[in-house]
Amino acid sequence: DVKVTQSSRYLVKRTGEKVFLECVQDMDHENMFWYRQDPGLGLRLIYFSYDVKMKEKGDIPEGYSVSREKKERFSLILESASTNQTSMYLCASSLDVQGRASQYFGPGTRLLVL
Amino acid sequence: SQQGEEDPQALSIQEGENATMNCSYKTSINNLQWYRQNSGRGLVHLILIRSNEREKHSGRLRVTLDTSKKSSSLLITASRAADTASYFCATAGGYNKLIFGAGTRLAVHP
Repeated sequence: DVKVTQSSRYLVKRTGEKVFLECVQDMDHENMFWYRQDPGLGLRLIYFSYDVKMKEKGDIPEGYSVSREKKERFSLILESASTNQTSMYLCASSLDVQGRASQYFGPGTRLLVL
Repeated sequence: SQQGEEDPQALSIQEGENATMNCSYKTSINNLQWYRQNSGRGLVHLILIRSNEREKHSGRLRVTLDTSKKSSSLLITASRAADTASYFCATAGGYNKLIFGAGTRLAVHP
């Protein structure tokens, strides 16, 4: 059974802190994605990666960076957390980066920035 | 933007009834996908329909695609309380990534 795991289900951080969200997949997928989900806005793509050490900006990359040192692991970094980054963060992986295949999602991390 | 937009935003039905959700989009697509999200959880892929397909079935799910109207519908037959969730359509076209709509919240009452 395919699996995408995220390091935390809930996280509370203070404004200005550096925050790391980790995602691991066991499907040997080359493509991984980070989304944030806010009420009424659906999922918005922050960053994606199509190979180890490769990354591309999504629709809302400002205030975020990513790291992909190993194929199975994709990290999202909030360099200096702000209250407007309070959100649900979802990681996904896929066989395809252009949406021609389904995406497999982790359970999400609900981040609260105080 | 080719973002899918779901309609209605919320739907409340009784167990055993059918639930229909619609998705409209703006530009040409390669495929359209439907996902389910249980409260506070990640999304689960339900079904993918390609642009050259008109209808697809999976268990109690039936998806139709009308590319001339740029719309899709998801029908859940004989709904159960466990179907209570949010349902999202996502479109993929050209070199674009998957773009998700804001979702339909379905509540199925016992």
